[in-house]
Amino acid sequence: DGGITQSPKYLFRKEGQNVTLSCEQNLNHDAMYWYRQDPGQGLRLIYYSQIVNDFQKGDIAEGYSVSREKKESFPLTVTSAQKNPTAFYLCASIGGNQPQHFGDGTRLSIL
Amino acid sequence: ILNVEQSPQSLHVQEGDSTNFTCSFPSSNFYALHWYRWETAKSPEALFVMTLNGDEKKKGRISATLNTKEGYSYLYIKGSQPEDSATYLCAFWQAGTALIFGKGTTLSVSS
Repeated sequence: DGGITQSPKYLFRKEGQNVTLSCEQNLNHDAMYWYRQDPGQGLRLIYYSQIVNDFQKGDIAEGYSVSREKKESFPLTVTSAQKNPTAFYLCASIGGNQPQHFGDGTRLSIL
Repeated sequence: ILNVEQSPQSLHVQEGDSTNFTCSFPSSNFYALHWYRWETAKSPEALFVMTLNGDEKKKGRISATLNTKEGYSYLYIKGSQPEDSATYLCAFWQAGTALIFGKGTTLSVSS
């Protein structure tokens, strides 16, 4: 079945450490997204990519970085510059004017 | 930053009640409006993708309407059931940009 795979499901970050969240899709979608969810905040857009080798900042990109070297993959790095990284992270993809497909999410916590 | 507003923020109804929520979005450069249902610990589930002014969509007891000229969409649930308890997200897609989510309306249905 086609879908989006996020890993790991749970991740812990130490002070000053960069961590990378994986997102892979086999839906052949051009556009991929990273969202962050905090209690009472809905889904806030971190970065999105509409095509390979191109990506755009969302509303809360500071402290995060992404790459899009392959159509299937859109990893998100949470850098040490992100001072409040504890949150639930969702990756999504979309093809044409269809609903977004979402991964199961990664919950990131600080040690 | 595009502003997508949802109201109310939360709602508690009795089983059998009908209810509705509002999503407000910018009325310029409209491309699409999405509705999702999001249960705790699960990925958001697509309900509707709406693209035309005056669109009305229906899925079982849930329906939605769209007014792109004034920038709002309504989601209706007829005869609420406990299993309808979830957060309902709307997402606005402006041409040339990313899908932006509102903060959601959290519905709780008591039996």
